[in-house]
Amino acid sequence: DTAVSQTPKYLVTQMGNDKSIKCEQNLGHDTMYWYKQDSKKFLKIMFSYNNKELIINETVPNRFSPKSPDKAHLNLHINSLELGDSAVYFCASSPQAFGTSPYNEQFFGPGTRLTVL
Amino acid sequence: GEDVEQSLFLSVREGDSSVINCTYTDSSSTYLYWYKQEPGAGLQLLTYIFSNMDMKQDQRLTVLLNKKDKHLSLRIADTQTGDSAIYFCAEEYAGGGNKLTFGTGTQLKVEL
Repeated sequence: DTAVSQTPKYLVTQMGNDKSIKCEQNLGHDTMYWYKQDSKKFLKIMFSYNNKELIINETVPNRFSPKSPDKAHLNLHINSLELGDSAVYFCASSPQAFGTSPYNEQFFGPGTRLTVL
Repeated sequence: GEDVEQSLFLSVREGDSSVINCTYTDSSSTYLYWYKQEPGAGLQLLTYIFSNMDMKQDQRLTVLLNKKDKHLSLRIADTQTGDSAIYFCAEEYAGGGNKLTFGTGTQLKVEL
């Protein structure tokens, strides 16, 4: 009965490879997010989707491409991985659709620790 | 600017009160939040406060908001070892597409 799940939990790969991280939520939420947490625990939003549409796209290299096949899934594909991509990536979801209400509890997945060698 | 600052570490004894501070920069923030991150886990919402409130109490948690100084604090009464975690404040912008900007995080260590 996991609310927000991510796979894989750990990902170790070589520089230059392409990899994907999957995220699914079973909460019926409209909005999903990807965050990156670096080694100093600094957490920064990367993308936000509302009902499969891209809402927030922060300054992220275009090697990162989110894909939302339906509103319960938001996957993150990363091309040509670099050392600086090593981090923990968190998926999150929230029930509020864009612009309906400012109060917004976000539910986080357990994270995917990506290590690029 | 979107910088949200917190002190990095706080150490307290079990049973004492903990106060975690946060300063933010955007005066148009609507809601401000406190999230908790336990080791190896994602963030969990602890509490939130609407920007027109000064204080909110929720069991052991007290949130104080000084909008003039853009200062937010979280007080945990009777701190327990299970409260050891990283605490993040976050601000949300009006019309920001539900975007949260998180603080730098405060590592709380509770000692016996």
